[in-house]
Amino acid sequence: DVKVTQSSRYLVKRTGEKVFLECVQDMDHENMFWYRQDPGLGLRLIYFSYDVKMKEKGDIPEGYSVSREKKERFSLILESASTNQTSMYLCASSLLGNMETQYFGPGTRLLVL
Amino acid sequence: DQQVKQNSPSLSVQEGRISILNCDYTNSMFDYFLWYKKYPAEGPTFLISISSIKDKNEDGRFTVFLNKSAKHLSLHIVPSQPGDSAVYFCAASAGTGANNLFFGTGTRLTVIP
Repeated sequence: DVKVTQSSRYLVKRTGEKVFLECVQDMDHENMFWYRQDPGLGLRLIYFSYDVKMKEKGDIPEGYSVSREKKERFSLILESASTNQTSMYLCASSLLGNMETQYFGPGTRLLVL
Repeated sequence: DQQVKQNSPSLSVQEGRISILNCDYTNSMFDYFLWYKKYPAEGPTFLISISSIKDKNEDGRFTVFLNKSAKHLSLHIVPSQPGDSAVYFCAASAGTGANNLFFGTGTRLTVIP
């Protein structure tokens, strides 16, 4: 069974803080993704990576960056958190060549005050 | 602009009856469609998919129907069980690349015992 874990279930940060969200998968998947989920907007892709040190922007990359130093780990960084980044963040992974069937982590609910 | 729409935010069905979840899309280039299921405090999990060359795909109690001319996708669950209570997301893909996968906003299904 694929397991995708996220470092925190709930996080409260202050405006301007640098925030790190960590994601680890244990199935040797090449692809990893970060989404945010907001009411009425579905899942929106922030960044994805198809290999170590490789990254591609998704639909809403502004205000975010990512890091993938190891195959199993994909980090999402909020350089200077803002209140409009309060959201549910979901990490996912998939096999190379299969972008559609993704395995998701449980999510991190981030509140920026 | 939402390319994949789930116009019903919620649906309640009696146990044993049929649940029908609907999804509409606007992009005629979509060629692969998926349904994901999400329980509270968990990430979405892949449920069933269909390629645009088919109009029906069945997996146990779950059947997905695709009407390309109407740009409409539906998920039928027969018979519905209380354990099916979850949020269901439809997703559509326009080829390879994570930027080509679009999720709907979700429909919360409640199956009443």
